[in-house]
Amino acid sequence: EDQVTQSPEALRLQEGESSSLNCSYTVSGLRGLFWYRQDPGKGPEFLFTLYSAGEEKEKERLKATLTKKESFLHITAPKPEDSATYLCAVQFNSGGGADGLTFGKGTHLIIQP
Amino acid sequence: NAGVTQTPKFRILKIGQSMTLQCTQDMNHNYMYWYRQDPGMGLKLIYYSVGAGITDKGEVPNGYNVSRSTTEDFPLRLELAAPSQTSVYFCASSAGVNTEAFFGQGTRLTVV
Repeated sequence: EDQVTQSPEALRLQEGESSSLNCSYTVSGLRGLFWYRQDPGKGPEFLFTLYSAGEEKEKERLKATLTKKESFLHITAPKPEDSATYLCAVQFNSGGGADGLTFGKGTHLIIQP
Repeated sequence: NAGVTQTPKFRILKIGQSMTLQCTQDMNHNYMYWYRQDPGMGLKLIYYSVGAGITDKGEVPNGYNVSRSTTEDFPLRLELAAPSQTSVYFCASSAGVNTEAFFGQGTRLTVV
């Protein structure tokens, strides 16, 4: 069973059409939830970290929110340059060491002019 | 302003060959990671390191080895390459266990 599930898998929007991407997680002992953007042929680029339920962060047209079971990435009035794959990842208390991030499969977002 | 640098960017290997994927970072980060990304799948952690001389297995370590002799470098070694190791490999580093990770541009590896 996936510990991090992102939906939808793909989303096509018109320029200016706002929407939200979802990331649900089943891990316990969440240390942090991360959002990344990945362009084709590139490595993931950090967007936000959220640490506790109720926390929100904003950057330009993007706003990330966190509850106890899921996170949303809200995109307001998107532009074609916002087209990318958006990745959600969590870090949690596994009883081990650094352990790295557990990623979802991503949402492929296309913004049409 | 290099960040995390990976070499090579592309490589084709024959089954049974070996190679080392290089990764270096100039941010003085203690934590470094290797991930692989397969089509339609999330990134999977292969190995990680919390500092020079210390490494540990991630979720999918079989067929790989790592070493960490310096803070800057974290090479990934593939011994006896197999088609299942065809993937895109990303190296990343972070300042702390719960801080954002910075990723390299990736190495696209094909094993034929």
